[in-house]
Amino acid sequence: NAGVTQTPKFQVLKTGQSMTLQCAQDMNHNSMYWYRQDPGMGLRLIYYSASEGTTDKGEVPNGYNVSRLNKREFSLRLESAAPSQTSVYFCASRGGWEEGKLFFGSGTQLSVL
Amino acid sequence: QKEVEQNSGPLSVPEGAIASLNCTYSDRVSQSFFWYRQYSGKSPELIMSIYSNGDKEDGRFTAQLNKASQYVSLLIRDSQPSDSATYLCAVNGNNRLAFGKGNQVVVIP
Repeated sequence: NAGVTQTPKFQVLKTGQSMTLQCAQDMNHNSMYWYRQDPGMGLRLIYYSASEGTTDKGEVPNGYNVSRLNKREFSLRLESAAPSQTSVYFCASRGGWEEGKLFFGSGTQLSVL
Repeated sequence: QKEVEQNSGPLSVPEGAIASLNCTYSDRVSQSFFWYRQYSGKSPELIMSIYSNGDKEDGRFTAQLNKASQYVSLLIRDSQPSDSATYLCAVNGNNRLAFGKGNQVVVIP
């Protein structure tokens, strides 16, 4: 089992460019999450999807959109990247039977110039 | 007020000593609490969960919960260089986890 797979691992964008971060899990989990992590700020929730077909805003949703394509896949889109979106992005999933146990992807290091 | 607070700066401890980390949370109805460990450049991994007041021990790790004081702590006994990492406190609510900023622990051989 691959667990949670995120692509790409690294990305450099220019201000105003768009891109989509992809995430897929093979654990049949219902819930999926996108977090960003900045130095000194911890993990902050961007968007989450409690189940297929639903998405909800988290703590810092501005400038992002998400799509829960199916039960396996949850993508994060930056429509017009800004330097403030330079961060490490983590996708995670959670199975309902293991409350609090998030399975994280390996992360995407994004730099916006 | 941020949901989960971890205010201590980097913690340096000698090998073999006890590392103590603290966390406070703002939502009184929270029922489940977690500690994640994150090595530099890696993703977080769950190391402890606690749901009831009191202590929960797992190997060299002990989590302590006091719901009346809205306080969670993590003790690492007999600290090893491999414990050098950032430790994130997390609180469950509304089908999502809220994380603290994390505390960096450095174990000095």
